[in-house]
Amino acid sequence: EAQVTQNPRYLITVTGKKLTVTCSQNMNHEYMSWYRQDPGLGLRQIYYSMNVEVTDKGDVPEGYKVSRKEKRNFPLILESPSPNQTSLYFCASSYAESSYNEQFFGPGTRLTVL
Amino acid sequence: QKEVEQNSGPLSVPEGAIASLNCTYSDRGSQSFFWYRQYSGKSPELIMFIYSNGDKEDGRFTAQLNKASQYVSLLIRDSQPSDSATYLCAVLRAGTALIFGKGTTLSVSS
Repeated sequence: EAQVTQNPRYLITVTGKKLTVTCSQNMNHEYMSWYRQDPGLGLRQIYYSMNVEVTDKGDVPEGYKVSRKEKRNFPLILESPSPNQTSLYFCASSYAESSYNEQFFGPGTRLTVL
Repeated sequence: QKEVEQNSGPLSVPEGAIASLNCTYSDRGSQSFFWYRQYSGKSPELIMFIYSNGDKEDGRFTAQLNKASQYVSLLIRDSQPSDSATYLCAVLRAGTALIFGKGTTLSVSS
């Protein structure tokens, strides 16, 4: 089954404790992206990657890191989480060569930073 | 001006009615436009995309695009309670970055 998976689905952590949210897709997509979704603010892009070893900042990159060492994986790293990073996070992927490609979303990771 | 604007709603319609969802965008150079549906606590799923002026129909859904007015809409005919969700308008920025509106919450009452 074609899908985007994220782990963990739910995470409660404390300020300053490094964490990684994994994202994996099995559709051989070049493009992958991370979004956060907050009430009243909608979906905002954190980072994206056009292909292996190619990443770039989205609209809200502060406090986050990413890497793209393999085509299928795009982990999101919070080196020192803070309470304002409490949010619902989505990973998404798509083919890169067309403007009309559907972005497939993962199931989401609900993060709470205390 | 925000890049993509939508009325947050809630938009309430009775079962069987037409629901009309609207979206405006600021970048006149935008080429591709998408409507996603998101149920509470779930991930967004694509309903339709449109890139030419005019109407595009798919079952009960019709997307309308007017590039001169920088306006995109989604019509849902014969609305069902299962259509109750948040509808996200998204515009493709240069490259493959999708810019989302904040979404319109639709409630269909039986």
